[in-house]
Formats: sequence, C-alpha cells, structure tokens
Amino acid sequence: KNEVEQSPQNLTAQEGEFITINCSYSVGISALHWLQQHPGGGIVSLFMLSSGKKKHGRLIATINIQEKHSSLHITASHPRDSAVYICAVNSGGSNYKLTFGKGTLLTVNP
Amino acid sequence: NAGVTQTPKFRVLKTGQSMTLLCAQDMNHEYMYWYRQDPGMGLRLIHYSVGEGTTAKGEVPDGYNVSRLKKQNFLLGLESAAPSQTSVYFCASSTGGPGYTFGSGTRLTVV
Repeated sequence: KNEVEQSPQNLTAQEGEFITINCSYSVGISALHWLQQHPGGGIVSLFMLSSGKKKHGRLIATINIQEKHSSLHITASHPRDSAVYICAVNSGGSNYKLTFGKGTLLTVNP
Repeated sequence: NAGVTQTPKFRVLKTGQSMTLLCAQDMNHEYMYWYRQDPGMGLRLIHYSVGEGTTAKGEVPDGYNVSRLKKQNFLLGLESAAPSQTSVYFCASSTGGPGYTFGSGTRLTVV
C-alpha cells in the first residue's frame, strides 16, 4: 500500500466549478507539499503545510494532522488549471526527502 | 533566473550506452535529489545528497551512480543504459525546510 494516497485519480470539471483533491497518508510527517505539473512540463511547488490552512489566489490547501489528511481546493476553476496535482510528504529525518502520491489529473473544460 | 537547471532536456540512448545528466542550482541549497517519474507511479527517489561530497541511495538506485563534487551540481550517471531506465528524470534541491525546488525534467528514452 502506497504511503500517500490521492483521490480522485482523474477529475473533469466545467469552468467555474469548485474543485477538491484529497490526500491521505499513513506515516507521521513533518510537512506536506502540494505540487502542480502541466502536461509535459516541470513540477512547481504550490504549498508546503505542516498545520492549518494556506491560501494563494484561488488555491487553498488544508491539513488535518490528527486524521492524516490534506485537501487542495481550487475556487472558480479555469481551463489553465488543467494539470496533474501531486501530494508529497516529508516524513522527517535529516535528509528531507519526499514520498509522492501518484497524482490527480485535473481537466477543466471551458 | 534562480532555480534548478537540468541538462539535457531530451535524450535518446541505445541500450548499453552511457550518459550523465547534470543538475545545477544557484540557491546555495544543501540538499539535492534525483527522482524518476513513470506512468501510473509517483515520483521515486533514485539518489540524494545532503551536502557537498556526500551521496546516498534512495528507493530505486540500481543502475545509477551520482556525484556531488561541487555544492551547486549533482550529476546522475547511467553506465549501461537499459530500456527499463526510460523515464522522466527530475532533479530537486532543498534548504532542508520549506524551500523545495524542482528542475524542468529530462525525458530519456532507451531503445
């Protein structure tokens, strides 16, 4: 069983819809990252969370440490939000390496 | 622009050939990583370094070697490429805290 599970694997939405992507993990963590990857593109860091909630523009990320769960929300979705969203956790230790989920492919149609 | 630069961006190798992928960062990060990304799987750690002159094995190190002779550079070598090493390779660097920066990737095909 993967240490980091994301749901859904694929998500199709209409422009303007509210989007939620979920991430559950099974290990203790020191931080959780949300990353974005456009098709054929590089990986961009959106958020790093260790508690609570963060907001950047139309993106909101929350984490519940007790439940080992995080969500990424996109408000007023737009076709340019179409990408793979990846959850990754840092389970502590001195090397700060990440363990990744398989990603959620989001397609936003106009 | 500051960040992580990977070269080359694309490469096609024949089975048995060797090559080196270069990762360079100009943010003075101590930690550097090489990951591979394959369809249907999350990124997996190949090797990493916690500082100049250090390297360590990750989750999938077989068939790869690395070196970090200078703090800003982390090299990934394939001594004898195999079709199973066809993948997209990402380099990343970190401050050891919130700063985690990825390169743009190298798409490698081994035929």
